[in-house]
Amino acid sequence: EVQLVESGGGLIQPGRSLRLSCVASGFTFDDSAMHWVRQAPGKGLEWVSGISSSGSGIGYADSVKDRFTISRDNAKNSLYLQMNSLRIEDTAVYYCVKGWLFTHFEHWGQGSLVTVSS
Amino acid sequence: QSVLTQPPSVSAAAGQTVTISCSGRTSNIGKNYVSWYQQLSGAAPKLIIHDTTKRPSGIPDRFSASKSGTSATLGITGLQTGDEADYYCASWDDSLSGVVFGGGTKLTVL
Repeated sequence: EVQLVESGGGLIQPGRSLRLSCVASGFTFDDSAMHWVRQAPGKGLEWVSGISSSGSGIGYADSVKDRFTISRDNAKNSLYLQMNSLRIEDTAVYYCVKGWLFTHFEHWGQGSLVTVSS
Repeated sequence: QSVLTQPPSVSAAAGQTVTISCSGRTSNIGKNYVSWYQQLSGAAPKLIIHDTTKRPSGIPDRFSASKSGTSATLGITGLQTGDEADYYCASWDDSLSGVVFGGGTKLTVL
């Protein structure tokens, strides 16, 4: 069974940094593209970033480019999202997602809530 | 404002059929696969259609999808109360070099 478990969310002040982690199990992690997708309270889904299986291919939404950095450690079956210069509008549930390349999102974690507020 | 356009809500009676539209551009739906996701209240999204028309294992054939030009459509037949959820379409966008979602459609089963 595919499992994706996020951690690292919480309450953070604007301008500060936070790092999300996701531990994966139940599939061959280093064969899979991985993504972060977020959902602001009461709003729709927004793709944040994705990374290819080897880590050589990376993409970001314009809204987070130059502030967020995605990375992965295939030896630890782990995905990360370093979030810098956080803004109030970054408040959302962040989902760790197993992707089929950058084509679709096969499996979703339960999400980690990030609240940016002073 | 989402790149892909979906109606905010649709409704139909149990047992009936409903369709949800997703309108985009050449750079996304026009050239790339479309996927659809179901999000039940309080839960994480779930993939129900990939590669525009394909159902993952375990998704009943009551769910189907199609594409024409720059628009895609999700169809659900034999509506059940358990189908009440938010539905999202998504596609890769060549111009944005990223994945774009529709704003979501809330399905109510009467």
